[in-house]
Amino acid sequence: ETGVTQSPTHLIKTRGQQVTLRCSSQSGHNTVSWYQQALGQGPQFIFQYYREEENGRGNFPPRFSGLQFPNYSSELNVNALELDDSALYLCASSRDMVFTDTQYFGPGTRLTVL
Amino acid sequence: SQQGEEDPQALSIQEGENATMNCSYKTSINNLQWYRQNSGRGLVHLILIRSNEREKHSGRLRVTLDTSKKSSSLLITASRAADTASYFCATDAPNSGYALNFGKGTSLLVTP
Repeated sequence: ETGVTQSPTHLIKTRGQQVTLRCSSQSGHNTVSWYQQALGQGPQFIFQYYREEENGRGNFPPRFSGLQFPNYSSELNVNALELDDSALYLCASSRDMVFTDTQYFGPGTRLTVL
Repeated sequence: SQQGEEDPQALSIQEGENATMNCSYKTSINNLQWYRQNSGRGLVHLILIRSNEREKHSGRLRVTLDTSKKSSSLLITASRAADTASYFCATDAPNSGYALNFGKGTSLLVTP
């Protein structure tokens, strides 16, 4: 158990729809990162938030957006869903904005876009 | 694009044997980490090795790092069925803050 939870576990949406995925970090963890993992691939970095501000972003279009809240919860929003957005979405939290800080991953949300 | 690449893609061994998987990366790094993932779920941090370290141990795990060859290896000794999982190396991602840059992973199957 990493103390990081994600909801929902599974989700099926239709192309063009919008989706919100949620993550609850450990208390005191000021950094949250989101990753997309396609089947058979390693996780790809989407973006990172530190104390409610976006701190870094990977190679993902603007229709991927996020929010981090003071209560250590966060959201990943994806607009205009495409078939290629089907993947496992992982959030990871850490105490601070340091690479050597252990990142604790949640179990993920499996998104299927039809 | 993915910075790291693990080799082999898949590995099947019997309980009690050692498992070795390798990771190569493209650009200079400060640190390299290894993670385990069971059945497409969340990742579990195994070990971190800094660029000025050559070898690190944690229980049955041994990690080596060769920055001149831009490669790392993970050795799991005396494998158990519970070690069955996918293993990923992750490096610090250039120009992406403190994000992790993962390879495609090695799928390890340990049979009783």
